[in-house]
Amino acid sequence: TQLLEQSPQFLSIQEGENLTVYCNSSSVFSSLQWYRQEPGEGPVLLVTVVTGGEVKKLKRLTFQFGDARKDSSLHITAAQPGDTGLYLCAGVFTSGTYKYIFGTGTRLKVLA
Amino acid sequence: DTGVSQDPRHKITKRGQNVTFRCDPISEHNRLYWYRQTLGQGPEFLTYFQNEAQLEKSRLLSDRFSAERPKGSFSTLEIQRTEQGDSAMYLCASSLVPTDFNEQFFGPGTRLTVL
Repeated sequence: TQLLEQSPQFLSIQEGENLTVYCNSSSVFSSLQWYRQEPGEGPVLLVTVVTGGEVKKLKRLTFQFGDARKDSSLHITAAQPGDTGLYLCAGVFTSGTYKYIFGTGTRLKVLA
Repeated sequence: DTGVSQDPRHKITKRGQNVTFRCDPISEHNRLYWYRQTLGQGPEFLTYFQNEAQLEKSRLLSDRFSAERPKGSFSTLEIQRTEQGDSAMYLCASSLVPTDFNEQFFGPGTRLTVL
């Protein structure tokens, strides 16, 4: 069974703090995507990483793909209340089916 | 707006009734996916289409569930004889594969409540 585990599951922090969310699997991904989801809405794509060791930045968000393409992290610097939401990673495995497997999600709450 | 759209956004039904949801993907996308999401969890894969062909169905998709994509464009997901356990957010997503990124884009979802 292909599984993606995210940690932590829940995170409540004060505005201005930094945080890191992890996404891990025992399988190799051909690419990995990070999404943010607001209550009652569909997930919104933040970034896609493809190359092992790749780092991408989106304003205060930094995404890293592990060298072996089995894991990824999302780091938020100086979190703001607007960052509150459910963060999801989704991996595309190298089987060629282009099927996306989602992580368990990290629910982030940033307090003002 | 040329994103993925879903209709209706919300559906409340009584147990035992049938419901049908529609998804309109991004026009040039060849892949269309259906997921189910319960509160606080990640989306769970239900089924996907490559153009009009349904290539895979999850074991989560019981015989009461059927999906179609008749002309390789929009798709419908029907649930027959709904049960309270079917209450969830039903998400549709589309993608164009294969590409360098194989990115998947979601619609806003249909929230189903079975009373």
